[in-house]
Formats: sequence, C-alpha cells, structure tokens
Amino acid sequence: GQQVMQIPQYQHVQEGEDFTTYCNSSTTLSNIQWYKQRPGGHPVFLIQLVKSGEVKKQKRLTFQFGEAKKNSSLHITATQTTDVGTYFCAGRRATNKLIFGTGTLLAVQP
Amino acid sequence: NAGVTQTPKFQVLKTGQSMTLQCAQDMNHEYMSWYRQDPGMGLRLIHYSVGAGITDQGEVPNGYNVSRSTTEDFPLRLLSAAPSQTSVYFCASKGSGGAIDTQYFGPGTRLTVL
Repeated sequence: GQQVMQIPQYQHVQEGEDFTTYCNSSTTLSNIQWYKQRPGGHPVFLIQLVKSGEVKKQKRLTFQFGEAKKNSSLHITATQTTDVGTYFCAGRRATNKLIFGTGTLLAVQP
Repeated sequence: NAGVTQTPKFQVLKTGQSMTLQCAQDMNHEYMSWYRQDPGMGLRLIHYSVGAGITDQGEVPNGYNVSRSTTEDFPLRLLSAAPSQTSVYFCASKGSGGAIDTQYFGPGTRLTVL
C-alpha cells in the first residue's frame, strides 16, 4: 500500500494566502524530493532534501526535511495563480525505489 | 535534447487486448521507471530499471512486463488489458551519480480500457 502519505489532499486558497502541504513516510528516507504537476501536465522536479533537519528556499517556497528523515513539508508564502497544480513529495528509500506521496491539489482563487 | 518521450499520447483498448507503451530518453540516463497515476493515489511505481538488461518490480507490477535492451528505450507491455488498467502512465529517467536525484518525466500516455 501507499507508504508515503500527504495531507491535505486538496486545498483551496485565496490569492495571497499561504499554503502548506505535509508528507509523512512510514520508513526513514535517504532523501526526499518535491515535484509540481500542472493540470494536464507531467511532474516537474522542484527540489531535493538530503540532510536531517534541512531547510531550503526557492523564492516563495520553503521546503523542510524532518529530523528523523521521515517527514517533510512545503510551504508557499503569498500564493499566486501560477502556483496552481498538484504538489507531490517523493521519498527515496534504501532499496533505491522512489515512492511518491498521494499529492496535494492546490487551487488558488484570484 | 528531446528529454523523455512517450508514445502514444492517448490509447483506447478493449478488455483482453495487448499493447506496448513506448518510452525513450536521449540523456544517456541509466535509471528508468514507469509509473501509473490514478485520482487520489498519486504516482505508483510499476517497474524500474537501473541499466540495460536489468529490470525490477515496483509497487504494482501485476499485468505489466518490461524489458531494457538498450539504455535509451524502456517499453511497458500490457499483456491482457483490463479496465483496472485505465490510467495515465508516466515514464521517467534519471542519471546515476551526482548529488541531485532529479527524475525527468515524459508527457504521459492516457490509456482507457473498455
């Protein structure tokens, strides 16, 4: 079954509001990646986190990797309509398999 | 570079038919994989390959076969299509080595099994 869970499944925000999606794994991960998929498109790589407690920023996006390397979060500050899409986390396990989370669909109302 | 290409973009099959989804990459990547995407399920790994001649099963391999005779190509075969295989299929590739583990996805194949 699904071993990387994401919450929420869906989030609807007003433009300018913040947004956060959370990712939890049942096992320790060697790294975690985040992808964005626009409606009708394919997943596109955003970032990779490797170290315990790591925090990375990309403009309005902040990514965190938990101390135990089992959870992660993506926070978007002041959302824009261009942020619309589904955000996936993906955990790399020791077996080299990349397991994707269930995704969070973000809708932004102008 | 074309990156990762997939054909066809759309396909409709009848139950019991077989077909092959094509995937090719021109980045000389060793690692290639197939995912299926269903609503509310995210992307689930079907099969993957760490190099030519080497394949392994992912989370949901039943009903699918793969082979990797060249570095560039990684076709996915549906042996006897079933309605439960209606999905969007994505092929992905990544290079080996390096600090960043980026996977590059193809545009997807939207498959409907009637």
